[in-house]
Amino acid sequence: KQEVTQIPAALSVPEGENLVLNCSFTDSAIYNLQWFRQDPGKGLTSLLLIQSSQREQTSGRLNASLDKSSGRSTLYIAASQPGDSATYLCAVSAGANNLFFGTGTRLTVIP
Amino acid sequence: DTGVSQNPRHKITKRGQNVTFRCDPISEHNRLYWYRQTLGQGPEFLTYFQNEAQLEKSRLLSDRFSAERPKGSFSTLEIQRTEQGDSAMYLCASSYSTGENTEAFFGQGTRLTVV
Repeated sequence: KQEVTQIPAALSVPEGENLVLNCSFTDSAIYNLQWFRQDPGKGLTSLLLIQSSQREQTSGRLNASLDKSSGRSTLYIAASQPGDSATYLCAVSAGANNLFFGTGTRLTVIP
Repeated sequence: DTGVSQNPRHKITKRGQNVTFRCDPISEHNRLYWYRQTLGQGPEFLTYFQNEAQLEKSRLLSDRFSAERPKGSFSTLEIQRTEQGDSAMYLCASSYSTGENTEAFFGQGTRLTVV
């Protein structure tokens, strides 16, 4: 069964810092990897989707990379802002049916 | 299009009662998923529809749970004889794809509290 791990579980940084969130998965036979943001008590907002044939995707201040062979992905957030405070979830897809999620990294950006 | 819509947003029920949640996916999305999320954990897959056909069910989906997607549009998730362990956030997602590389879009969830 696919296992997804996210490190660190929680991260606190001062405003303006660049930061990296890590995601690892045990089975490299994935179709895509998706990063989500979740605010407390809310649903998930899709941030970036990386297909298995891609190495990275960028959206604004966010950059996600994928190394499928080593089972790793990183989410890079540049020039962090207090509004970036949320839980960030990584999920991998092994097919059309479902996503396997990590437990998330809770990010706090201090003004 | 306003995205995936879930109702109600919150539900408090007494143990033993039945509850039903509704999910309206993004228009024309052919795939619909239900997930469950407990505090401090990532979402866990429950079930998946391709159009109106329920193609996969997780072992988490006990016989007290049933999901439907009549006519391939909205979906309902019913829990019978609720237990305290059913307390969680129930998330619905939808996607459109004819292949494997699909982006899933989630709703705001229904938070269930069983007292």
